[in-house]
Amino acid sequence: GAVVSQHPSWVICKSGTSVKIECRSLDFQATTMFWYRQFPKQSLMLMATSNEGSKATYEQGVEKDKFLINHASLTLSTLTVTSAHPEDSSFYICSARRSSGRSGGYTFGSGTRLTVV
Amino acid sequence: TQLLEQSPQFLSIQEGENLTVYCNSSSVFSSLQWYRQEPGEGPVLLVTVVTGGEVKKLKRLTFQFGDARKDSSLHITAAQPGDTGLYLCAGDWKYGNEKLTFGTGTRLTIIP
Repeated sequence: GAVVSQHPSWVICKSGTSVKIECRSLDFQATTMFWYRQFPKQSLMLMATSNEGSKATYEQGVEKDKFLINHASLTLSTLTVTSAHPEDSSFYICSARRSSGRSGGYTFGSGTRLTVV
Repeated sequence: TQLLEQSPQFLSIQEGENLTVYCNSSSVFSSLQWYRQEPGEGPVLLVTVVTGGEVKKLKRLTFQFGDARKDSSLHITAAQPGDTGLYLCAGDWKYGNEKLTFGTGTRLTIIP
Protein backbone atom coordinates (compact mmCIF):
# COMPACT_ATOMS: atom_id res chain seq x y z
CA GLY A 1 0.00 0.00 0.00
CA ALA A 2 0.93 3.65 -0.35
CA VAL A 3 3.05 4.99 2.50
CA VAL A 4 3.80 8.57 3.44
CA SER A 5 6.66 9.20 5.81
CA GLN A 6 6.73 12.40 7.84
CA HIS A 7 9.70 13.60 9.88
CA PRO A 8 10.31 14.49 12.55
CA SER A 9 7.45 13.02 14.55
CA TRP A 10 7.97 15.64 17.21
CA VAL A 11 10.16 18.70 17.64
CA ILE A 12 10.70 21.30 20.33
CA CYS A 13 12.23 24.60 19.30
CA LYS A 14 12.92 27.99 20.78
CA SER A 15 10.81 30.96 19.89
CA GLY A 16 12.23 32.81 16.89
CA THR A 17 13.89 29.81 15.28
CA SER A 18 12.78 27.96 12.15
CA VAL A 19 11.72 24.34 11.88
CA LYS A 20 11.55 22.17 8.77
CA ILE A 21 9.16 19.24 8.44
CA GLU A 22 9.58 16.67 5.67
CA CYS A 23 6.90 14.65 3.94
CA ARG A 24 7.94 11.80 1.66
CA SER A 25 5.92 9.42 -0.45
CA LEU A 26 7.86 6.19 -0.18
CA ASP A 27 6.44 3.96 -2.88
CA PHE A 28 4.58 6.26 -5.23
CA GLN A 29 4.88 9.59 -6.94
CA ALA A 30 2.78 12.40 -5.57
CA THR A 31 2.13 15.29 -7.89
CA THR A 32 0.13 16.97 -5.15
CA MET A 33 0.75 17.11 -1.42
CA PHE A 34 -1.30 18.83 1.23
CA TRP A 35 -0.35 20.34 4.59
CA TYR A 36 -2.76 20.46 7.51
CA ARG A 37 -2.55 21.66 11.08
CA GLN A 38 -4.58 20.34 13.94
CA PHE A 39 -5.07 21.98 17.32
CA PRO A 40 -5.93 19.84 20.37
CA LYS A 41 -9.42 18.38 20.26
CA GLN A 42 -10.07 19.90 16.84
CA SER A 43 -10.25 18.69 13.27
CA LEU A 44 -7.67 19.07 10.51
CA MET A 45 -7.48 22.45 8.85
CA LEU A 46 -5.96 22.64 5.38
CA MET A 47 -3.07 25.08 5.22
CA ALA A 48 -1.85 24.72 1.66
CA THR A 49 -1.78 22.59 -1.45
CA SER A 50 1.63 21.84 -2.87
CA ASN A 51 2.23 20.88 -6.48
CA GLU A 52 5.56 19.55 -7.67
CA GLY A 53 7.59 22.21 -9.40
CA SER A 54 5.23 25.09 -8.73
CA LYS A 55 4.32 27.47 -5.96
CA ALA A 56 2.05 26.25 -3.21
CA THR A 57 -1.53 27.45 -2.97
CA TYR A 58 -2.31 28.70 0.51
CA GLU A 59 -5.69 28.73 2.19
CA GLN A 60 -7.18 31.98 3.32
CA GLY A 61 -5.63 33.23 6.53
CA VAL A 62 -2.43 31.20 6.24
CA GLU A 63 0.71 33.32 6.05
CA LYS A 64 2.76 32.09 3.11
CA ASP A 65 5.88 33.91 4.31
CA LYS A 66 5.68 32.18 7.66
CA PHE A 67 4.87 28.70 6.41
CA LEU A 68 7.24 28.06 3.52
CA ILE A 69 6.40 25.06 1.38
CA ASN A 70 8.73 23.46 -1.13
CA HIS A 71 7.76 20.57 -3.37
CA ALA A 72 10.94 20.03 -5.35
CA SER A 73 10.36 16.43 -6.38
CA LEU A 74 7.51 13.99 -6.90
CA THR A 75 8.28 12.30 -3.60
CA LEU A 76 9.20 15.13 -1.24
CA SER A 77 7.50 18.21 0.13
CA THR A 78 8.78 20.29 3.01
CA LEU A 79 7.08 22.74 5.34
CA THR A 80 9.27 25.28 7.09
CA VAL A 81 7.81 27.21 9.99
CA THR A 82 9.85 30.39 10.08
CA SER A 83 10.41 32.51 13.17
CA ALA A 84 8.27 30.16 15.18
CA HIS A 85 6.24 31.45 18.11
CA PRO A 86 4.37 29.57 20.85
CA GLU A 87 1.08 30.06 19.00
CA ASP A 88 2.53 27.99 16.14
CA SER A 89 2.64 24.98 18.44
CA SER A 90 0.38 22.42 16.86
CA PHE A 91 0.16 19.02 15.18
CA TYR A 92 1.13 19.29 11.52
CA ILE A 93 0.07 16.56 9.09
CA CYS A 94 0.91 16.07 5.44
CA SER A 95 -1.01 14.13 2.85
CA ALA A 96 -0.06 12.94 -0.61
CA ARG A 97 -2.37 12.12 -3.47
CA ARG A 98 -1.38 9.10 -5.49
CA SER A 99 -2.45 10.41 -8.89
CA SER A 100 -4.01 13.44 -10.48
CA GLY A 101 -7.71 13.88 -10.47
CA ARG A 102 -10.27 12.87 -7.89
CA SER A 103 -9.71 9.19 -8.49
CA GLY A 104 -6.37 9.42 -6.74
CA GLY A 105 -6.46 8.37 -3.11
CA TYR A 106 -5.08 10.40 -0.25
CA THR A 107 -2.45 8.97 2.08
CA PHE A 108 -1.58 10.73 5.31
CA GLY A 109 1.66 11.00 7.20
CA SER A 110 1.83 10.23 10.89
CA GLY A 111 2.08 13.90 11.83
CA THR A 112 4.63 16.17 13.52
CA ARG A 113 4.03 17.58 16.98
CA LEU A 114 5.65 21.03 17.10
CA THR A 115 6.17 22.71 20.44
CA VAL A 116 7.61 26.22 20.49
CA VAL A 117 8.98 27.33 23.84
CA THR B 1 -15.14 27.47 2.20
CA GLN B 2 -17.07 24.22 2.05
CA LEU B 3 -18.06 23.36 5.61
CA LEU B 4 -18.68 19.85 6.83
CA GLU B 5 -20.52 19.71 10.12
CA GLN B 6 -20.38 16.51 12.11
CA SER B 7 -22.73 15.52 14.89
CA PRO B 8 -22.47 14.70 17.61
CA GLN B 9 -19.19 16.36 18.51
CA PHE B 10 -18.67 14.00 21.44
CA LEU B 11 -20.23 10.62 22.11
CA SER B 12 -19.65 8.27 25.02
CA ILE B 13 -21.57 4.99 25.08
CA GLN B 14 -21.41 1.56 26.63
CA GLU B 15 -19.81 -1.38 24.88
CA GLY B 16 -22.36 -3.26 22.79
CA GLU B 17 -24.54 -0.28 21.96
CA ASN B 18 -25.17 1.06 18.47
CA LEU B 19 -24.42 4.59 17.31
CA THR B 20 -24.65 6.86 14.28
CA VAL B 21 -22.45 9.79 13.38
CA TYR B 22 -23.62 12.35 10.85
CA CYS B 23 -21.71 14.51 8.40
CA ASN B 24 -23.66 17.33 6.75
CA SER B 25 -22.94 20.08 4.28
CA SER B 26 -24.70 22.46 1.95
CA SER B 27 -22.16 21.66 -0.77
CA VAL B 28 -22.16 18.80 -3.23
CA PHE B 29 -19.15 16.52 -3.03
CA SER B 30 -17.61 14.38 -5.73
CA SER B 31 -16.62 11.89 -3.05
CA LEU B 32 -16.65 11.65 0.68
CA GLN B 33 -14.28 9.77 2.91
CA TRP B 34 -14.37 8.65 6.51
CA TYR B 35 -11.24 8.49 8.63
CA ARG B 36 -10.39 7.43 12.15
CA GLN B 37 -7.57 9.14 13.99
CA GLU B 38 -5.77 8.01 17.12
CA PRO B 39 -4.01 10.54 19.39
CA GLY B 40 -0.65 11.62 18.01
CA GLU B 41 -1.15 9.91 14.67
CA GLY B 42 -2.37 10.79 11.21
CA PRO B 43 -5.90 9.89 10.10
CA VAL B 44 -6.44 6.44 8.63
CA LEU B 45 -8.89 5.97 5.79
CA LEU B 46 -11.90 3.78 6.53
CA VAL B 47 -13.95 4.16 3.36
CA THR B 48 -14.61 6.31 0.31
CA VAL B 49 -18.13 6.79 -1.06
CA VAL B 50 -18.67 8.25 -4.50
CA THR B 51 -22.18 7.54 -5.73
CA GLY B 52 -25.26 9.23 -4.28
CA GLY B 53 -27.19 6.76 -2.12
CA GLU B 54 -24.21 4.43 -1.92
CA VAL B 55 -23.94 2.17 1.12
CA LYS B 56 -20.71 0.47 2.12
CA LYS B 57 -20.08 -1.92 4.96
CA LEU B 58 -16.83 -2.56 6.78
CA LYS B 59 -17.46 -5.27 9.37
CA ARG B 60 -19.60 -3.54 12.03
CA LEU B 61 -19.38 -0.15 10.33
CA THR B 62 -21.95 0.97 7.74
CA PHE B 63 -21.37 4.10 5.69
CA GLN B 64 -23.97 5.86 3.60
CA PHE B 65 -23.64 8.71 1.12
CA GLY B 66 -26.71 10.90 0.75
CA ASP B 67 -28.64 10.85 -2.51
CA ALA B 68 -27.69 14.46 -3.20
CA ARG B 69 -24.06 13.82 -2.20
CA LYS B 70 -24.22 16.53 0.44
CA ASP B 71 -24.23 14.36 3.54
CA SER B 72 -23.12 11.03 4.92
CA SER B 73 -23.55 8.85 7.96
CA LEU B 74 -21.49 6.28 9.80
CA HIS B 75 -23.32 3.63 11.82
CA ILE B 76 -21.50 1.35 14.21
CA THR B 77 -23.20 -1.79 15.45
CA ALA B 78 -22.30 -3.35 18.80
CA ALA B 79 -19.56 -0.85 19.55
CA GLN B 80 -16.35 -2.14 21.10
CA PRO B 81 -13.65 -0.31 23.10
CA GLY B 82 -11.37 -0.60 20.08
CA ASP B 83 -13.74 1.69 18.18
CA THR B 84 -12.72 4.58 20.44
CA GLY B 85 -11.17 7.44 18.50
CA LEU B 86 -11.74 10.61 16.52
CA TYR B 87 -13.91 10.03 13.46
CA LEU B 88 -13.56 12.49 10.63
CA CYS B 89 -15.47 12.84 7.43
CA ALA B 90 -13.73 14.57 4.55
CA GLY B 91 -15.15 15.73 1.27
CA ASP B 92 -13.74 16.43 -2.12
CA TRP B 93 -15.87 19.37 -3.27
CA LYS B 94 -17.46 18.79 -6.67
CA TYR B 95 -16.61 22.23 -8.03
CA GLY B 96 -13.38 22.68 -6.15
CA ASN B 97 -9.77 22.33 -7.12
CA GLU B 98 -9.22 18.79 -5.91
CA LYS B 99 -8.52 19.22 -2.23
CA LEU B 100 -9.91 17.45 0.79
CA THR B 101 -11.93 19.39 3.37
CA PHE B 102 -12.36 17.79 6.76
CA GLY B 103 -15.43 17.77 8.94
CA THR B 104 -15.50 19.08 12.48
CA GLY B 105 -14.93 15.62 13.93
CA THR B 106 -16.69 13.28 16.34
CA ARG B 107 -14.82 12.03 19.37
CA LEU B 108 -16.14 8.60 20.26
CA THR B 109 -15.50 6.82 23.54
CA ILE B 110 -16.69 3.28 24.11
CA ILE B 111 -16.89 2.35 27.76
CA PRO B 112 -16.09 -1.30 28.56
